[in-house]
Amino acid sequence: LAKTTQPISMDSYEGQEVNITCSHNNIATNDYITWYQQFPSQGPRFIIQGYKTKVTNEVASLFIPADRKSSTLSLPRVSLSDTAVYYCLVGGPSYNTDKLIFGTGTRLQVFP
Amino acid sequence: GAVVSQHPSRVICKSGTSVKIECRSLDFQATTMFWYRQFPKQSLMLMATSNEGSKATYEQGVEKDKFLINHASLTLSTLTVTSAHPEDSSFYICSARDARTGLGNEQFFGPGTRLTVL
Repeated sequence: LAKTTQPISMDSYEGQEVNITCSHNNIATNDYITWYQQFPSQGPRFIIQGYKTKVTNEVASLFIPADRKSSTLSLPRVSLSDTAVYYCLVGGPSYNTDKLIFGTGTRLQVFP
Repeated sequence: GAVVSQHPSRVICKSGTSVKIECRSLDFQATTMFWYRQFPKQSLMLMATSNEGSKATYEQGVEKDKFLINHASLTLSTLTVTSAHPEDSSFYICSARDARTGLGNEQFFGPGTRLTVL
């Protein structure tokens, strides 16, 4: 399983755009990139998933360059409620057996 | 969306007792469920992969006789912490993969169970 590297923590202010970059130099051809959000004392929540280029949903955008060795989660106009830990994971599409290995995650603190 | 529940949400027990935690997929079938443990300010650590109808696969360093996993149906997996000790106090989280989807590796996580062993 590809190892991921993210910044340990980031600070932002309400209304700003936050970009969290994740490095995954050993990503395999079949691997997808998935981001999860976790609030204290809660299970992680799926944010977005992508394979290449750009993916956008109602919550975030995910930018993946052509070499796929990194990815950037973009949160537009963050609010205080976006304060959480964000995890970047990579893994294959075998839905029956593939396990997720969580890295350290990025602790985002949003200030008023 | 897919919902995973856990019961109980928190439990306090005496040292030496056993505690069972249930993980249920409420609106989908899950042939595979996963159990994680998370200590304060740390990341999730995968403990084991639970497969319906077969033995669980444990990660290195996780004692299978201490953490008993039973995946009896497509919607229920249980984790039993046997002879619990204070060092087993942690946040236990399960996740499940929807058997119908075959794309990517999205998992749906339960709300977690806070175990405190006195």
